[in-house]
Amino acid sequence: DVKVTQSSRYLVKRTGEKVFLECVQDMDHENMFWYRQDPGLGLRLIYFSYDVKMKEKGDIPEGYSVSREKKERFSLILESASTNQTSMYLCASGTVPRNYGYTFGSGTRLTVV
Amino acid sequence: AQSVTQLGSHVSVSEGALVLLRCNYSSSVPPYLFWYVQYPNQGLQLLLKYTTGATLVKGINGFEAEFKKSETSFHLTKPSAHMSDAAEYFCAVMDTGTASKLTFGTGTRLQVTL
Repeated sequence: DVKVTQSSRYLVKRTGEKVFLECVQDMDHENMFWYRQDPGLGLRLIYFSYDVKMKEKGDIPEGYSVSREKKERFSLILESASTNQTSMYLCASGTVPRNYGYTFGSGTRLTVV
Repeated sequence: AQSVTQLGSHVSVSEGALVLLRCNYSSSVPPYLFWYVQYPNQGLQLLLKYTTGATLVKGINGFEAEFKKSETSFHLTKPSAHMSDAAEYFCAVMDTGTASKLTFGTGTRLQVTL
């Protein structure tokens, strides 16, 4: 089975801290994605990547950046964490053909205090 | 831009009853459509998908969905609910152009009662 592993299940950070959320997939997928999930809002796309060193903004990129130095790893960076970034963060990966759908990690619940 | 509307943020059914979760999409081209399930404290798991071909698709755990182009709908059904079906369900649409992003609905939480 494809595995998408997110490094932390729960994370508590202080306002203003720089936060790194890591995601690793083991199936050589080209595409990787970061979503945030909030009650009543569903999943919203933050950033995605089609290949190493490539990144594209999603629907809500403000306050976030990403890094993809290796194909299997996609990092989400909160440059200066704020309380409104308290959320569940989900990483996903997939391959072409695109109709295969994506595999999701278990999520990181981030609390910014 | 594509979008997905899930009617009903919460649905409650009795064990053994029919499950019907509604999903309507907006897309200028024939989309790829997905249903995902999320159990408490877990990530999302693919239930089923429609890409091309047969409009009635079967998924895991006895769920199925029918793509109706004329109604722009992709409703999820299961003939007989089980307690283990209690979870949150998300409908999603993927554009078939150069980008392969998934756009999700806001989710429907299914409660199954005895």
